[in-house]
Amino acid sequence: AQSVAQPEDQVNVAEGNPLTVKCTYSVSGNPYLFWYVQYPNRGLQFLLKYITGDNLVKGSYGFEAEFNKSQTSFHLKKPSALVSDSALYFCAGGTRNTDKLIFGTGTRLQVFP
Amino acid sequence: GAVVSQHPSWVICKSGTSVKIECRSLDFQATTMFWYRQFPKQSLMLMATSNEGSKATYEQGVEKDKFLINHASLTLSTLTVTSAHPEDSSFYICSASRDGAYEQYFGPGTRLTVT
Repeated sequence: AQSVAQPEDQVNVAEGNPLTVKCTYSVSGNPYLFWYVQYPNRGLQFLLKYITGDNLVKGSYGFEAEFNKSQTSFHLKKPSALVSDSALYFCAGGTRNTDKLIFGTGTRLQVFP
Repeated sequence: GAVVSQHPSWVICKSGTSVKIECRSLDFQATTMFWYRQFPKQSLMLMATSNEGSKATYEQGVEKDKFLINHASLTLSTLTVTSAHPEDSSFYICSASRDGAYEQYFGPGTRLTVT
């Protein structure tokens, strides 16, 4: 069965420090991978995607993610965290064969001033 | 671009009544729309996928007679929760994708409370 895993329920980081939110996937074929962010009582906002090409993907608000096929990972990173980055982050995956996305369970990022 | 709206943003209804939630793609034609349900502090659960002009495809365990989905145009899909009960209280989120695109664009969500 296809799945997307986010092993951390919560990540805490001090403002100004680099942050990493982890995501691993188990998707048949060539995966399409996405990161979304959700603020309280709001829908999901698209951050970035990997479809093909360069393994390092740059997205909105200074976030980036690296597609690692050997480790089946797609970790979200940012060099310097902001308090305003505090939110719920979802990793999602899909394939060419379906238009559905499989979501991870979400990771709550808390950036402390 | 790629803005999706939902209406209403929140609704309170009495048990036994029906509630309709609208999802609109404002600046693009959405060939496919998706309806999700999210419980507090949990991930999104896909309820159904709908393509314009055809019947929705429901995920296993989702009652199609209870959650009626209509995708009448390329910019509008509706979810009607029929005979709502308190256990239907949840945050409902729609998303839309363009033909040939892989990412989904999400609406802001609708919080339904059934009393």
